[in-house]
Amino acid sequence: RKEVEQDPGPFNVPEGATVAFNCTYSNSASQSFFWYRQDCRKEPKLLMSVYSSGNEDGRFTAQLNRASQYISLLIRDSKLSDSATYLCVVDKSGSARQLTFGSGTQLTVLP
Amino acid sequence: DGGITQSPKYLFRKEGQNVTLSCEQNLNHDAMYWYRQDPGQGLRLIYYSQIVNDFQKGDIAEGYSVSREKKESFPLTVTSAQKNPTAFYLCASSLGLVDEQFFGPGTRLTVL
Repeated sequence: RKEVEQDPGPFNVPEGATVAFNCTYSNSASQSFFWYRQDCRKEPKLLMSVYSSGNEDGRFTAQLNRASQYISLLIRDSKLSDSATYLCVVDKSGSARQLTFGSGTQLTVLP
Repeated sequence: DGGITQSPKYLFRKEGQNVTLSCEQNLNHDAMYWYRQDPGQGLRLIYYSQIVNDFQKGDIAEGYSVSREKKESFPLTVTSAQKNPTAFYLCASSLGLVDEQFFGPGTRLTVL
């Protein structure tokens, strides 16, 4: 099983739609979780951290489900500018703690 | 302005040549990383460094080498031993190993 797994998509949604991405992780001891956004041919940038109680930043909501070992990202009222690849990031717990990046989910918001 | 810089943005090299990619940060971060990204793929960790004069292999270190002589700098050398060097190379830094990582703009390396 991969350490971090994401549905690659692509997700093509109309402007204004609500879209949700899930990401599963294999290490039950992981403690740090993030969602990054990567535009085409650019570097990844932090979208938001994911906290145990769930957190919201404007149109974006992130949730963590430790029991099922997944995190989710919900985007409400999609904008054309939300088109990007969304990367799920989880720490690789244990003796070699570091972050592991998922392969990303591609989102295209259509006019 | 604090941030990470990588140079050059585009790099072309002939097969069989070594090439060094630059990465500099002024964020006062202890940890630095090198990733490789191939088209349509995720990020794969090449090397990382927690502190000056120390670095560790990532998942795909073969054919690469690094140094960490200064906190601000973490250059990556792509050697002729790397079989498929054409890729997008990203450098990142963070306070600690499980903290948010900040990325540089990347270097696109093409081997001719």
